[in-house]
Amino acid sequence: EAGVAQSPRYKIIEKRQSVAFWCNPISGHATLYWYQQILGQGPKLLIQFQNNGVVDDSQLPKDRFSAERLKGVDSTLKIQPAKLEDSAVYLCASSFGSWTSNRESNTQYFGPGTRLTVL
Amino acid sequence: EDKVVQSPLSLVVHEGDTVTLNCSYEVTNFRSLLWYKQEKKAPTFLFMLTSSGIEKKSGRLSSILDKKELFSILNITATQTGDSAIYLCAVGGGTSYGKLTFGQGTILTVHP
Repeated sequence: EAGVAQSPRYKIIEKRQSVAFWCNPISGHATLYWYQQILGQGPKLLIQFQNNGVVDDSQLPKDRFSAERLKGVDSTLKIQPAKLEDSAVYLCASSFGSWTSNRESNTQYFGPGTRLTVL
Repeated sequence: EDKVVQSPLSLVVHEGDTVTLNCSYEVTNFRSLLWYKQEKKAPTFLFMLTSSGIEKKSGRLSSILDKKELFSILNITATQTGDSAIYLCAVGGGTSYGKLTFGQGTILTVHP
């Protein structure tokens, strides 16, 4: 079974530039998550999709971050314009369901991440 | 606000030692607690715990949850250099199904 795919793996940009990240979840996984992990911290949820709908985007800085999952499969996360404090690893994860009677289906599987450096 | 706190923040041991990692949480509407191992970048799933007192084991790793005292421990026996990683604890709960709140992680270094 193929895992969660992300690209690019690394990105270096200057502040005020734009950047986009792509994620393809595990086949059949309805739920997709984007996390931001700043060095020395645990991942922080930015946005959660259930199929092509947004379930939770309460921690997404909507003035500069946007995300979409138009066809309910792959997803893009965009930052425009980037700030120095956006330097982090952006992780994408997917799970079969968000909550069902089978709790194991809620296990989130992570992609390799994209390391973003904003200069 | 949901909160997950892990301790210690870092730990240095020698091969063969046994280590215990701690995770305490304050989460509304608790559903599950998960442990992940993070090497390089992607966290990899270790355990999901939903019931108190039931130990989960996988080889040299084991974990248990105490829902009354709101904590979990992850034990690693006979540590190996390959166990060196960041161990993340995450708790599912709150109003959004599937949302995980992560702790800051414990950095484990195992020397030969």
